[in-house]
Amino acid sequence: AQKITQTQPGMFVQEKEAVTLDCTYDTSDPSYGLFWYKQPSSGEMIFLIYQGSYDQQNATEGRYSLNFQKARKSANLVISASQLGDSAMYFCAMRNNNAGNMLTFGGGTRLMVKP
Amino acid sequence: GAGVSQSPSNKVTEKGKDVELRCDPISGHTALYWYRQSLGQGLEFLIYFQGNSAPDKSGLPSDRFSAERTGGSVSTLTIQRTQQEDSAVYLCASSPGTVLNSGANVLTFGAGSRLTVL
Repeated sequence: AQKITQTQPGMFVQEKEAVTLDCTYDTSDPSYGLFWYKQPSSGEMIFLIYQGSYDQQNATEGRYSLNFQKARKSANLVISASQLGDSAMYFCAMRNNNAGNMLTFGGGTRLMVKP
Repeated sequence: GAGVSQSPSNKVTEKGKDVELRCDPISGHTALYWYRQSLGQGLEFLIYFQGNSAPDKSGLPSDRFSAERTGGSVSTLTIQRTQQEDSAVYLCASSPGTVLNSGANVLTFGAGSRLTVL
């Protein structure tokens, strides 16, 4: 069975600083994908970044980067130069490529950016 | 369409009534998913369609929940005899559903249907 754990229910960060949101996962399958989504107060789920289990490089998308440590089964999201608009819930999710395309989500981390 | 469309956006119903929630996926997306999000919680997987068939119904919480998809497009999630614990936001997502081990096969979510059972 797959499991995603986000141990930080809430985080504060000062505007313009970098912040790391933690995510650990558990799977016995070698082929999987890891995703981060942002959910602002409006409720929509916004895709941020993807990392495949066989990818050699850490994924980056603008101010978002994924610190992928395969041996430790962690996929932390790093947001650089935080902006007020980054305040939202952030969800880590995993797809097991051998079991369809469904995503299993973690419980989320609420990020609050202070001006 | 340009995005995943869900209706209604809000539904208030009385306990014991049946409700139908509709999802119109992105045109050409073969895979469609239903998730449920209770207040302040993460997303709970309900059911997944590839085309019109549902390979994985494991998340449906009870036999009061059912879903169908017709024409490889629109899907309807039906909750019979609603209970107060069914109150949640029901999120639909779609994806191209082709190459799995690819960042291109990302789930795109709709805005959700907020269900309140009184």
